[in-house]
Amino acid sequence: KQEVTQIPAALSVPEGENLVLNCSFTDSAIYNLQWFRQDPGKGLTSLLLIQSSQREQTSGRLNASLDKSSGRSTLYIAASQPGDSATYLCAVGGGGADGLTFGKGTHLIIQP
Amino acid sequence: NAGVTQTPKFRVLKTGQSMTLLCAQDMNHEYMYWYRQDPGMGLRLIHYSVGEGTTAKGEVPDGYNVSRLKKQNFLLGLESAAPSQTSVYFCASIGPSGSVAKNIQYFGAGTRLSVL
Repeated sequence: KQEVTQIPAALSVPEGENLVLNCSFTDSAIYNLQWFRQDPGKGLTSLLLIQSSQREQTSGRLNASLDKSSGRSTLYIAASQPGDSATYLCAVGGGGADGLTFGKGTHLIIQP
Repeated sequence: NAGVTQTPKFRVLKTGQSMTLLCAQDMNHEYMYWYRQDPGMGLRLIHYSVGEGTTAKGEVPDGYNVSRLKKQNFLLGLESAAPSQTSVYFCASIGPSGSVAKNIQYFGAGTRLSVL
């Protein structure tokens, strides 16, 4: 059974810092990996999707990398802003249509 | 384009009552999903559907039933609600078919359910 772990569970940093969120998964046979953002009381918003054949994806100040063989992904946030405060979720797709396996998330607070 | 819409947004039930959660998507997506999110547990898949008239069990299907009579709608039913079903329920969809690996999941805003 696929298991997804996110470290750290919570993180608080001053505005302007660059930061890295970590995600690891136990079964390397994945189709893709997605990073989501969840604001309190809201749904999930997809930030980046990396297909299993890709090594990284970038969107604005966000960069996600994937090392499938070692079962790891990182989400890099450059020049953090208070608006980046949210919970970040990592999820892996095992193939076919049977949904995603989620980590428990990293709760991020950016201090003004 | 509304995306994925869930109704209701909030609901309080008494133990033993029944209810149906509705998920509607206007993106012509083939695949739809129901997840539940609990503190400390992350999101877990309840049921999913790969097309109209088809459903399948996910990781935590017990106590729930689903139906996909129309492509755009995916219903989640609780026949006899229990306090253990207190949770936030999310619906999601992926499309178009044939390229699951390339397509992101779109999520609804969630339904907060309390069972007393």
